[in-house]
Amino acid sequence: DIQMTQSPSSLSASVGDRVTITCRASQSISTYLTWYQQKPGKAPELLIYVASSLQSGVPSRFSGSGSGTDFTLTISSLQPEDFATYYCQQSYSLPYTFGQGTKLEIK
Amino acid sequence: QVQLQESGPGLVKPSQTLSLTCTVSGGSISSAGYYWSWVRQDPGKGLEWIGYIHYSGKTFYNPSLKSRVTISVDTSKNQFSLKLTSVTAADTAVYYCARSVRSGSNWFDPWGQGTLVTVSS
Repeated sequence: DIQMTQSPSSLSASVGDRVTITCRASQSISTYLTWYQQKPGKAPELLIYVASSLQSGVPSRFSGSGSGTDFTLTISSLQPEDFATYYCQQSYSLPYTFGQGTKLEIK
Repeated sequence: QVQLQESGPGLVKPSQTLSLTCTVSGGSISSAGYYWSWVRQDPGKGLEWIGYIHYSGKTFYNPSLKSRVTISVDTSKNQFSLKLTSVTAADTAVYYCARSVRSGSNWFDPWGQGTLVTVSS
């Protein structure tokens, strides 16, 4: 199985900050990388697919980049509604696997 | 738009079979371009993909659960189902159903709201 490792596991930031979350794959996955946002008690929601494509309706302050083994999710200016847990997921090979999550908390 | 809703018992006894159904509304489960998946979330282990089914009946299961998992589809009811046998406390989790695009890159969207299944006597 391909292992997905996110860093950091948790992050404290303030409204207006620029934040970057990293996801590393244990082998090359091209751009078969998806980012989700999950709020407490809710299902994950799609943010970015194929590493850098923004899902319809997702604010443009979210962006994704990377290919191969290293990927980043950037939030350019944090808003109160962005405090949540973020997950990456690879779909390069079965079984699909997720990162362990990055919890973004208010400083 | 397409919506998914999980249903099934919230409590299952150890060694028994966990059975859940996902009802798809707003679209047809028989669309050729999609897979229908089950994903679970244990607070200690994060998100785990269980497996998927295509309306044709093609399935793929996570090898970690393959010996205990069956996913089936009922196109007449626009539903797909999960059965997990011989459950233990380690199977306690929130179970989600989700749709993924049948293409090179499979992302999950949308997801059901999730249903908590507790394994306990």
